[in-house]
Amino acid sequence: DAKTTQPPSMDCAEGRAANLPCNHSTISGNEYVYWYRQIHSQGPQYIIHGLKNNETNEMASLIITEDRKSSTLILPHATLRDTAVYYCIVSLSNNLFFGTGTRLTVIP
Amino acid sequence: EPEVTQTPSHQVTQMGQEVILRCVPISNHLYFYWYRQILGQKVEFLVSFYNNEISEKSEIFDDQFSVERPDGSNFTLKIRSTKLEDSAMYFCASSEWDVGDTEAFFGQGTRLTVV
Repeated sequence: DAKTTQPPSMDCAEGRAANLPCNHSTISGNEYVYWYRQIHSQGPQYIIHGLKNNETNEMASLIITEDRKSSTLILPHATLRDTAVYYCIVSLSNNLFFGTGTRLTVIP
Repeated sequence: EPEVTQTPSHQVTQMGQEVILRCVPISNHLYFYWYRQILGQKVEFLVSFYNNEISEKSEIFDDQFSVERPDGSNFTLKIRSTKLEDSAMYFCASSEWDVGDTEAFFGQGTRLTVV
């Protein structure tokens, strides 16, 4: 079962940074934090993952607190195409247990 | 960019019939997965597969379900004697490794409708 807590929905203005929080207070030492998103009913799309350090790729940045009990996904310049459900998942492997995620709506 | 492909995109079947959902994982990936998503609900893990064996399966993956890698490229999910509640989107995924430091790539799904 999902071991993360996310707000059910968020809005973000187009062009602004979207900051999506996630709590994972029971994360174990070797579990990774993954972020995926799902646009409409398409297949989930990998965004980023991390263990302890902050990570950045072409899509997003992942900020993980020092105690690893929470993290934030940052989309630096949200576009309308970023409207999706964003899932924060903690896992040892790619056997992923999705929660209900955060529905991000990017507003023009 | 390499991708996971699933066929068919939509399958309609009568209750009690058997269906086979097909997936072509990314070619150098070794780990394969099936997930499902009932309309309006969460994405649910069904099964993972490696080296021609099931690695892990969820409670959903009962005797009605089976998986197979019949050749070097396809990965299939068979549902025997389908039920109305099997109607869902079924997603195949693959990854290079199964350890945490890698990502899974998902296909676009097969929408199964049981009537």
